[in-house]
Order: sequence, then C-alpha cells, then structure tokens
Amino acid sequence: GQSLEQPSEVTAVEGAIVQINCTYQTSGFYGLSWYQQHDGGAPTFLSYNGLDGLEETGRFSSFLSRSDSYGYLLLQELQMKDSASYFCAVREFGDYKLSFGAGTTVTVRA
Amino acid sequence: GAVVSQHPSWVICKSGTSVKIECRSLDFQATTMFWYRQFPKQSLMLMATSNEGSKATYEQGVEKDKFLINHASLTLSTLTVTSAHPEDSSFYICSASPGEAYEQFFGPGTRLTVL
Repeated sequence: GQSLEQPSEVTAVEGAIVQINCTYQTSGFYGLSWYQQHDGGAPTFLSYNGLDGLEETGRFSSFLSRSDSYGYLLLQELQMKDSASYFCAVREFGDYKLSFGAGTTVTVRA
Repeated sequence: GAVVSQHPSWVICKSGTSVKIECRSLDFQATTMFWYRQFPKQSLMLMATSNEGSKATYEQGVEKDKFLINHASLTLSTLTVTSAHPEDSSFYICSASPGEAYEQFFGPGTRLTVL
C-alpha cells in the first residue's frame, strides 16, 4: 500500500511564495504528480516528477527526491485564483494507479 | 487535447433507484479509465480501474454489485450506482489515460445526491 502526508492548510498573501511538502511511503514508486482542485471542480494536472530534481512550469515548480521519499510543490507570485486544494499523488509500477494525499488547502489573502 | 467529459454533471435521485454516469475521452483513445469518489473536504478515493474490453478491477471495500462499471469502447466508460442510498451521495470523478505510462486526464465530475 501507499501513504502520503502533506500539510492540511496553508495561508499566504498575494505575491508570496508557498511550498507544499509531500512525503510518501510506497513499495514500487514510479512517479509523483501534483493536482489543483478548486471548490466544486475536478482535479487539474499541474506537474509530474519521475526523476529527482526540479520541474518548472511557469509560476509552479515541483521537486522530487526519491532517496528521501519526498517532494514539494512551489507556488510563486501567488494570485487570488491560486486559492484551491492541492494534492500530491503517487504512481506505482505495475498498475499505474494514482494514490492521492489528503490535500492541502491554500488560501491566498489580499 | 486530452479532454474528458462526464454526463450528467449533477443528478438528484430517490433512494432505491439506479443512476448511470458516463465518462468519455473526446480526443484520444483511453485504454484505461479510473473511477474516483470524493466526499466533501476529503481526498479522491479510487473506486475501480477499467480497461477496455475487460472486467473492472475494484479497490478493496468497493462493492462490485453496487457500482457497476462498463468500458465497452476506447472512448466510453460508464458507472452505474445501483439501488442508491443517501450515503452514496458524493462527487464521482472519472479519469482516462491513453496508456499505462501516460498521465491521467480527469473529467469534470458528477455530483450525485440521493434523497
């Protein structure tokens, strides 16, 4: 089985930088994904890390360290529209299912 | 590209009735589709994985006879909630993948309310 841990809530002001950490335990790690979900909406894909290192996509970056079973999502230049829930999700070899963390609610204040 | 649709977007039904939810990949062929359930303020919980032309694989604790999944074509999977009860009220989300090594693309979700 898998288990993932991420903080439940983060609050920050517009323009700030937020880092959401995710630690995981899994028997056959394949990759770590990040998803954003606004209230009432479906998850949208943000980033994926299959190898160690940093992946940058605009204001969002994601990092993975497989040896530490750890990754993070970095949100830069926060905007009000970034207020949402963010989920890390692990994929395993063999079935490629996604196991989601409990989610981090990010609240951006003016 | 990689658009997944779900229908209906919301449904209200009486207890004891059955509800069918459709999931379609609009611009790619989905060899694998996944069905999730999400209760308010909670994470997505995988219910089952379906591969085109074969029986769905259900996660532990998910009743196969209650949640019927059919993946008859490479662009369509359906989830039927049979004899729905109020505790089945939830947000049901499907995702589709063009292959095992690819990312999952999520549909917009279906909100089910059972009275």
